[in-house]
Amino acid sequence: AQSVTQLGSHVSVSEGALVLLRCNYSSSVPPYLFWYVQYPNQGLQLLLKYTSAATLVKGINGFEAEFKKSETSFHLTKPSAHMSDAAEYFCAVSDRGSSNTGKLIFGQGTTLQVKP
Amino acid sequence: ETGVTQTPRHLVMGMTNKKSLKCEQHLGHNAMYWYKQSAKKPLELMFVYSLEERVENNSVPSRFSPECPNSSHLFLHLHTLQPEDSALYLCASSQDLGNTEAFFGQGTRLTVV
Repeated sequence: AQSVTQLGSHVSVSEGALVLLRCNYSSSVPPYLFWYVQYPNQGLQLLLKYTSAATLVKGINGFEAEFKKSETSFHLTKPSAHMSDAAEYFCAVSDRGSSNTGKLIFGQGTTLQVKP
Repeated sequence: ETGVTQTPRHLVMGMTNKKSLKCEQHLGHNAMYWYKQSAKKPLELMFVYSLEERVENNSVPSRFSPECPNSSHLFLHLHTLQPEDSALYLCASSQDLGNTEAFFGQGTRLTVV
């Protein structure tokens, strides 16, 4: 069974600093991995996805993530934080087991605070 | 605008009320989902529909009843809810089941009093 762990429920960075949000997964099959962002009172918006092509995935708003099979990680990074990046970020793995229902299994989320 | 629209955005209901949440997508997707987002808990998948047929019911209490009349619409009928059912209910759709990404609506913030 798949699972996702996001290390750190809150991350605070200064504007212009590197953003690093951590995600580790557990999966018995090659995973599909996703990062979503949720702004206050909004639904989830896809930032980027990994589907077994290039291990370094570039997404919207300057974010990228690297799939590292040896570390079972899919950490999200952005070189320079903007105030508008303040939101909650969710890592998710797609159920690609025998049921293949497209079920997304989410981590608990990381709230990113950006200080001026 | 994500292409998935949920109504209402906010709903307050008593424990004896019956209400329905509506989700509509015009993306031509074949799969639709209901998720529950509670404070300090991961998003929980409730129901999955593919081509208007329910393919997963994730041990959801019977006071939640989904309906998918066509591939563009998904409802969640609510009756005799409990205060702990208060949460953000998110609808999502994807092209098909499997590896395609899900597009989410803005959610319905439900408060049960």
